[in-house]
Formats: sequence, structure tokens, C-alpha cells
Amino acid sequence: AQSVTQPDIHITVSEGASLELRCNYSYGATPYLFWYVQSPGQGLQLLLKYFSGDTLVQGIKGFEAEFKRSQSSFNLRKPSVHWSDAAEYFCAVGATNAGKSTFGDGTTLTVKP
Amino acid sequence: ETGVTQSPTHLIKTRGQQVTLRCSSQSGHNTVSWYQQALGQGPQFIFQYYREEENGRGNFPPRFSGLQFPNYSSELNVNALELDDSALYLCASSFWEVAAGELFFGEGSRLTVL
Repeated sequence: AQSVTQPDIHITVSEGASLELRCNYSYGATPYLFWYVQSPGQGLQLLLKYFSGDTLVQGIKGFEAEFKRSQSSFNLRKPSVHWSDAAEYFCAVGATNAGKSTFGDGTTLTVKP
Repeated sequence: ETGVTQSPTHLIKTRGQQVTLRCSSQSGHNTVSWYQQALGQGPQFIFQYYREEENGRGNFPPRFSGLQFPNYSSELNVNALELDDSALYLCASSFWEVAAGELFFGEGSRLTVL
């Protein structure tokens, strides 16, 4: 069975500092991996996805993520955080059908002025 | 281009009642997936509809059922509501033909069961 673990429930960073959100997955085959962001009262928005090729993927809003098969990880990074990045971030794993993805429990990001 | 819309946005029911939640998919999308997001948790896959048929179900009992209509809109029905059904219900639409295609989520329907 596929699963996703996001070890950090809550992270606080200062505006302008770098950010890394951790994601570990369990999947029997080559995974399709996704990062989503959810602002309060909003639905989820896709930040980026990986399914083949270059293990470093670029997304929207200046985010990137690196797929490391040996570590079963897909960590999300951003070099300089903006106050508007405060939100909840979800990592997900799935097969070719993204609609059947398995999500982690999320990491809440707080940005200090 | 119209995004994914869900209705109602909030509703309160009592145990044992039935509820119907509605979703209009993004223009042109032919696949709808439903997720349940309990407080403090990530979304959990309920089921997916394509060509008006259920195409895969997560670990949810049969009292969770759905429909997809010819215009690709969808309904989620929950019978015999339980307190644990209180959650945000998210609908997401996509193109079936696009592998690992982007899911477009609605803002959800927040159900409270008393």
C-alpha cells in the first residue's frame, strides 16, 4: 500500500529565510509525486509534480523539489520565503491517475516578519 | 474558463441523516475525484468518476456513493451520517487522458454532523 509521511507538523521560518519541507513516501513502483498548497478556506493548488526525468523539478511561486529514490524522499524547497507563503503544504503520491493520490497529513508553515 | 465549484459551502446535519454534495468540474474536464479531509489531516481519496461510472474507491463504506452526469458534474451522497463524517469534502477535476495530470480542486463543502 502506498503511504506518505510528512514528519514536520508545523514549521516557522522568518521572511526571507530558506525553507525545506520534508516528505517520505512508500510506493511499490516508480511513483508519481506531487506537492500541493492549501490556504485557509481554499482548495488545494498544485505546486509541482514529478513522474520521470530530471529529479529536480521546478514549480510555481519559486518552489522546487528533489526526488531521491534511495531515500524515498521528495522534499520541497524555496530559497527565500515570503509572508504570502504561509499556508498548509501537502505531499502526495500516486500512479498515473493523479485523481487517486494518497496524501500526507500536511505541514503548516508560519512566516515571521 | 470556469473553475471547480462546490455547493453547499457549509452545512450542518444530525446523525442518521443523509446529505448530497455537488461539484461542477472545470470546463472541459471529464474526470471527478472526491476527497474527505478531516480536521488536521490530509485529504483521503473517496472515489473517482469517469464516463459516469465509478473508477476506483478508497477505504470508505457503501453508504458513501456518487454520481457523474453527462456534463461531467458530480454528486457525493452520504447516508446514515455519523459524527466522524464531519469533515471538509473536496472535489477535484482533471483530464482522464493526461497521465499525472493536474488536479483542480474546489474550495470544498464543510459538513458538520451533530
